[in-house]
Amino acid sequence: GQQLNQSPQSMFIQEGEDVSMNCTSSSIFNTWLWYKQDPGEGPVLLIALYKAGELTSNGRLTAQFGITRKDSFLNISASIPSDVGIYFCAGQLIPGTYKYIFGTGTRLKVLA
Amino acid sequence: GAVVSQHPSRVICKSGTSVKIECRSLDFQATTMFWYRQFPKQSLMLMATSNEGSKATYEQGVEKDKFLINHASLTLSTLTVTSAHPEDSSFYICSASFRARRTEAFFGQGTRLTVV
Repeated sequence: GQQLNQSPQSMFIQEGEDVSMNCTSSSIFNTWLWYKQDPGEGPVLLIALYKAGELTSNGRLTAQFGITRKDSFLNISASIPSDVGIYFCAGQLIPGTYKYIFGTGTRLKVLA
Repeated sequence: GAVVSQHPSRVICKSGTSVKIECRSLDFQATTMFWYRQFPKQSLMLMATSNEGSKATYEQGVEKDKFLINHASLTLSTLTVTSAHPEDSSFYICSASFRARRTEAFFGQGTRLTVV
């Protein structure tokens, strides 16, 4: 099936550092969602983006919907140990279908 | 709000038997429910989309006779893995959307299926 390219694939960072990850596609998307998944659990929605250029924050998390509508970025500021997990982007390819394509994931590990 | 519950969280079954997984929206009526499959250290792959009262739409390469989906009400969808084989072992996750927040999908906790 189709997937979005996410980078980096994994990253180790020190507690307190800022984190940045992105998601790119060759297709245009109408909505971008960012999720966090802990081991053995379902993904939890972090941020939803609806318009090109939109910048939205949720606590220490900030995400942006790229102007070209083909990419999105997620930043985490002042990382803490509980930020550990896998972060997925998801793009809505066809408006109104509620159908999402998921990114390949970014595995984040925070070193205390 | 927007809680999706999946049951069971883990199941082990013998090869050749069938297994049913339930997905419930607890505090909203789900217009649409989705079923995903996730292999270890990989992303979520959409298997099928199910709308209440109608037949599910399966993604290319997913066997509809193998993975039976029933969306009998606005709060319940079930996935039945029929005649399970070891290669069907995986993490299955459902998600649900509703009209008021139609562009967001909320996920269940997932079901770890192991076929022995």
